[in-house]
Amino acid sequence: ETGVTQSPTHLIKTRGQQVTLRCSSQSGHNTVSWYQQALGQGPQFIFQYYREEENGRGNFPPRFSGLQFPNYSSELNVNALELDDSALYLCASSSGLGMYNEQFFGPGTRLTVL
Amino acid sequence: KNEVEQSPQNLTAQEGEFITINCSYSVGISALHWLQQHPGGGIVSLFMLSSGKKKHGRLIATINIQEKHSSLHITASHPRDSAVYICAVEAGSQGNLIFGKGTKLSVKP
Repeated sequence: ETGVTQSPTHLIKTRGQQVTLRCSSQSGHNTVSWYQQALGQGPQFIFQYYREEENGRGNFPPRFSGLQFPNYSSELNVNALELDDSALYLCASSSGLGMYNEQFFGPGTRLTVL
Repeated sequence: KNEVEQSPQNLTAQEGEFITINCSYSVGISALHWLQQHPGGGIVSLFMLSSGKKKHGRLIATINIQEKHSSLHITASHPRDSAVYICAVEAGSQGNLIFGKGTKLSVKP
């Protein structure tokens, strides 16, 4: 059984560019949540996908979008990058929704926007 | 005011000391998580609890639902315990987490 993986591990972009981050869920998991963690802060919830549908969204603008594929892997897309988008992006997968389904975190993608 | 507050923000201890990290929250929750984050970013789930107390090795987590408070205790601390410890709560039905800012623990040999 493989854990949650994310790619790339590090990424440098410039303002205005677009970026796609990828997350491969743990085997058997159909739910993926994405979080943004700015330096020195706790993670902030971006959105969650359950069986390929968005199932909840945090306080992030529409230029943050996502996809979940039939194999339950997921992408986070950010358009028109801003300096404040520099952060660690974490995905977490679980085998379902709610409190009885523990979330397993990936190692994160560190995005730097110059 | 953040919905999840942790204290202290930073903690330095000597090896062998008993450590307590506190978490208070202001929303109704279905579960509370304690997570460990090492330099580099990877997050590991330590505990998920909705009542009472859980123990795993040298780690103990307690929660008081009425007081909206949880504590994470580490007995006989060791330098390898050095990490950021994060409290997070599940307040919605879909299971997304609201995180505290974390407590950075450094255990000196």
